[in-house]
Amino acid sequence: EAGVAQSPRYKIIEKRQSVAFWCNPISGHATLYWYQQILGQGPKLLIQFQNNGVVDDSQLPKDRFSAERLKGVDSTLKIQPAKLEDSAVYLCASSLVSGEGYTFGSGTRLTVV
Amino acid sequence: AQSVTQLDSQVPVFEEAPVELRCNYSSSVSVYLFWYVQYPNQGLQLLLKYLSGSTLVKGINGFEAEFNKSQTSFHLRKPSVHISDTAEYFCAVSGSGTYKYIFGTGTRLKVLA
Repeated sequence: EAGVAQSPRYKIIEKRQSVAFWCNPISGHATLYWYQQILGQGPKLLIQFQNNGVVDDSQLPKDRFSAERLKGVDSTLKIQPAKLEDSAVYLCASSLVSGEGYTFGSGTRLTVV
Repeated sequence: AQSVTQLDSQVPVFEEAPVELRCNYSSSVSVYLFWYVQYPNQGLQLLLKYLSGSTLVKGINGFEAEFNKSQTSFHLRKPSVHISDTAEYFCAVSGSGTYKYIFGTGTRLKVLA
């Protein structure tokens, strides 16, 4: 089966600019997650979708981050405006059954200068 | 709430030697436990998981882990490592019935020739 697809792989932007990341989960996986992984740290959950509804966005900085999952399939994560501390790898993951093991995409490495 | 501690940030080991990567967790509810591996510039790949049943869990690439409820540990072991095992390893926990993973800060395994 095809894995979790993410694009772009790399992105460099200036602070205060906006950026968007795209994720296509494994077909049939109802649950989709966005994680932020800062260098030297473990991934931190930003938002979790079940189909196209938000289950948990408690750690999403809503003043600048937004995410949507239209039609319960693809998802986009947006940052506007970006700050230097947003430099990280943004990982998308999906699962068939919530909580029992995710499949991760390769991630998008964002550098804010 | 759950938390995960990976005490060793780096573990150097010679090729063909055994290795143990330590993971301790805390939780007020029963848990699911996971180990993920991350190769450079890639996403996280599931090595193994404990959901219930036998406390000794076998995973891919010859890795295994043992769930020890009394010591709240889930250490990862391999009897003989290869150069190709050089990577970052993350332990993660989720409360059973919840969906959010809490990741540890990771252990960098460096296999030396």
